[in-house]
Amino acid sequence: DAKTTQPTSMDCAEGRAANLPCNHSTISGNEYVYWYRQIHSQGPQYIIHGLKNNETNEMASLIITEDRKSSTLILPHATLRDTAVYYCIVSYPNTGNQFYFGTGTSLTVIP
Amino acid sequence: KAGVTQTPRYLIKTRGQQVTLSCSPISGHRSVSWYQQTPGQGLQFLFEYFSETQRNKGNFPGRFSGRQFSNSRSEMNVSTLELGDSALYLCASSQAGGETQYFGPGTRLLVL
Repeated sequence: DAKTTQPTSMDCAEGRAANLPCNHSTISGNEYVYWYRQIHSQGPQYIIHGLKNNETNEMASLIITEDRKSSTLILPHATLRDTAVYYCIVSYPNTGNQFYFGTGTSLTVIP
Repeated sequence: KAGVTQTPRYLIKTRGQQVTLSCSPISGHRSVSWYQQTPGQGLQFLFEYFSETQRNKGNFPGRFSGRQFSNSRSEMNVSTLELGDSALYLCASSQAGGETQYFGPGTRLLVL
């Protein structure tokens, strides 16, 4: 069962920030939030993950609410190459890599 | 480091045949997971291997099996292929399981 809820699709203007929300209201204390993206028919690409604190790397920022029931992935300056399906996943550590992928958000970056 | 590699990248089989797919994890990674992706069902977990042992299994029939070798390379096998087995098969590796997984490019299987 998917443990996350994401909008089916979103558009974003090139050069603007893309904010992708994810609801994970049943998350437990030890579950991490992971974000991956998949460009058409390629393998999913790891973006970022976090437990409680906000995280930032060279690709994106992850904002997790204080109650941990939702999070937002931020792509600060979206480019056409960011057009992809974005998946939000919650996962226990040490569960043997059993990721449950939902339907994800199809992000289209518009020129 | 080289990423996760999968061979072959494309495969065409006919119903009733069997197929073996191969996955080489990132050097030093000991956990390998397999996923099936279809338009109707999305990305679904098949199984995970760690230290040559199957540690987790998804909800797939026994026709789907796998194994892992001492060098952490993994193979998955599908016997008695059905049309519905046409899919993108993805392999992912991680250091010990339960943390960040890195995916390969996938093997696209078409069953005719």
